[in-house]
Amino acid sequence: AQTVTQSQPEMSVQEAETVTLSCTYDTSESNYYLFWYKQPPSRQMILVIRQEAYKQQNATENRFSVNFQKAAKSFSLKISDSQLGDTAMYFCAFISTGNQFYFGTGTSLTVIP
Amino acid sequence: GAGVSQSPSNKVTEKGKDVELRCDPISGHTALYWYRQSLGQGLEFLIYFQGNSAPDKSGLPSDRFSAERTGGSVSTLTIQRTQQEDSAVYLCASSLDREGPQHFGDGTRLSIL
Repeated sequence: AQTVTQSQPEMSVQEAETVTLSCTYDTSESNYYLFWYKQPPSRQMILVIRQEAYKQQNATENRFSVNFQKAAKSFSLKISDSQLGDTAMYFCAFISTGNQFYFGTGTSLTVIP
Repeated sequence: GAGVSQSPSNKVTEKGKDVELRCDPISGHTALYWYRQSLGQGLEFLIYFQGNSAPDKSGLPSDRFSAERTGGSVSTLTIQRTQQEDSAVYLCASSLDREGPQHFGDGTRLSIL
């Protein structure tokens, strides 16, 4: 079975601080894609960052970066210099070559002013 | 340009009725996805369309659910004989290709009385 696990249902961080959201996944495939999506209270889901499994270099998008550990099947998201607008639900997602799409149950992040 | 458009944004209906949810993907996106998001849950993958190819329907929760995509563009998700457990937000997303980032619509909030 292929699954995505986010073990932190809720987290909070002080504005301007750094926070790391964890995600682990289970798969027998060697090539796949991992994503972090953000869903603010307004409801629309938007992409934060994307990682291809065959690339060893960790993806980075401005204040967002990932720590991709393929052997450990871990894909954590680091948010630096947290801003109030980062308050949202964050979902880790996995897409396999077998046309299956899996999302974790999400981590609710609150940035405290 | 225009994003993914879903209609209606909200739907309230009586148990046992049929409902049809519509998704207009971003122009040029060949891949289209339907997900269900229940309160406090992650996203449950329902079905994926790639161009005009026949979709894999194994993610649909029951035979009351069906989906089609006409002309490789607009998609409809139909739920027959609705049950209270069908109450959820139904999200549609599209992407240029299967591995690309998915662009989500605002969703349809379905409430079954």
